[in-house]
Amino acid sequence: DADVTQTPRNRITKTGKRIMLECSQTKGHDRMYWYRQDPGLGLRLIYYSFDVKDINKGEISDGYSVSRQAQAKFSLSLESAIPNQTALYFCAIGDPNQNEQFFGPGTRLTVL
Amino acid sequence: SQELEQSPQSLIVQEGKNLTINCTSSKTLYGLYWYKQKYGEGLIFLMMLQKGGEEKSHEKITAKLDEKKQQSSLHITASQPSHAGIYLCGADGGQAGTALIFGKGTTLSVSS
Repeated sequence: DADVTQTPRNRITKTGKRIMLECSQTKGHDRMYWYRQDPGLGLRLIYYSFDVKDINKGEISDGYSVSRQAQAKFSLSLESAIPNQTALYFCAIGDPNQNEQFFGPGTRLTVL
Repeated sequence: SQELEQSPQSLIVQEGKNLTINCTSSKTLYGLYWYKQKYGEGLIFLMMLQKGGEEKSHEKITAKLDEKKQQSSLHITASQPSHAGIYLCGADGGQAGTALIFGKGTTLSVSS
């Protein structure tokens, strides 16, 4: 089984709809992250969490919210999707003691 | 804030040739991560460098960290079509396990 899973893998939605992207991990790492990737802009950090009670905004948090339901689960919500949120979204996990960061397979979101 | 610049932005090489990709930081590098991404897919962790002068290898890919130049280089020996993809460098800003700042990526194509 993959260490980091994301659902859905692909989603097409309309402007104004509420969308939730889910991430779960099996590594037991405390730190989880959400990034988005856009052509020519690389990956940018949306939100991150260092444990269940800790949520922090990243570089581009406007228009997004997150929930850390458990150590293994970190979900990203778009309350009212807009077309410029069309992107590839990645969840990642990290362990400061092991110097490793692993990424999920990504969710391709298209907002029409 | 820290920025990572990758060069070149894109590269086309003939199969069997060697190549180098550079990642230069605007600030001191503490931890430097290299990832490979197939088009539109997830990021595959290649290696992480922490100490100045450190060099690591993963199959035919070697990466080095030059602390003084605030730069890391990724070298591929005898390139193969399987090496094609996008190579991304990421830096952790001084604390392992924190969110990464990424370069915009280098797209590598290998012609047979």
